[in-house]
Amino acid sequence: GDSVTQMEGPVTLSEEAFLTINCTYTATGYPSLFWYVQYPGEGLQLLLKATKADDKGSNKGFEATYRKETTSFHLEKGSVQVSDSAVYFCALNNAGDSSYKLIFGSGTRLLVRP
Amino acid sequence: SQTIHQWPATLVQPVGSPLSLECTVEGTSNPNLYWYRQAAGRGLQLLFYSVGIGQISSEVPQNLSASRPQDRQFILSSKKLLLSDSGFYLCAWSAVRTGGSYGYTFGSGTRLTVV
Repeated sequence: GDSVTQMEGPVTLSEEAFLTINCTYTATGYPSLFWYVQYPGEGLQLLLKATKADDKGSNKGFEATYRKETTSFHLEKGSVQVSDSAVYFCALNNAGDSSYKLIFGSGTRLLVRP
Repeated sequence: SQTIHQWPATLVQPVGSPLSLECTVEGTSNPNLYWYRQAAGRGLQLLFYSVGIGQISSEVPQNLSASRPQDRQFILSSKKLLLSDSGFYLCAWSAVRTGGSYGYTFGSGTRLTVV
């Protein structure tokens, strides 16, 4: 079945460091890909998305490119801030599944130190 | 605009007691609805989803049940809570007309502690 694999955390960085969180997926067909962020004690918020190969999603300085050849959707940010500390989830939605349910990775906790 | 409401925000219940968590969506019709559970420090587990009134699909066998009595209302229930039911419960919806390409909108969650 469809699945998403994320790098294990926690990831600890200093402020202004470069961030990469790896995400790879297994899916039939052409899934849409997402990154969600969860701040402490809150629900999940959509951070960015990409719906087809080579699309780049971006928001709040974060970027991720849909790479079909490597089945990856790595999250990057050039300069992280303390306020970026959160848990990040990679997810996919398979267009062939009429329930449109999202398959999530296990999440990666990011801690940014001042 | 569309909004999703989930309540209560926190709940402490004794083992063996019943549970009812409610989720409602405003500003859209015929949404797909979902219940997820997040155990402490762990990922998200899809519990139930619904593509229409009275239509419930269960992803994992468990002590919980779900119902959708109205188009924009999704309820998570249990007759007798177990300690293992503790966790953070999240409701979400997606728009059928977008084919899921816009992902989900999540509620703010209910933190359930079974004691």
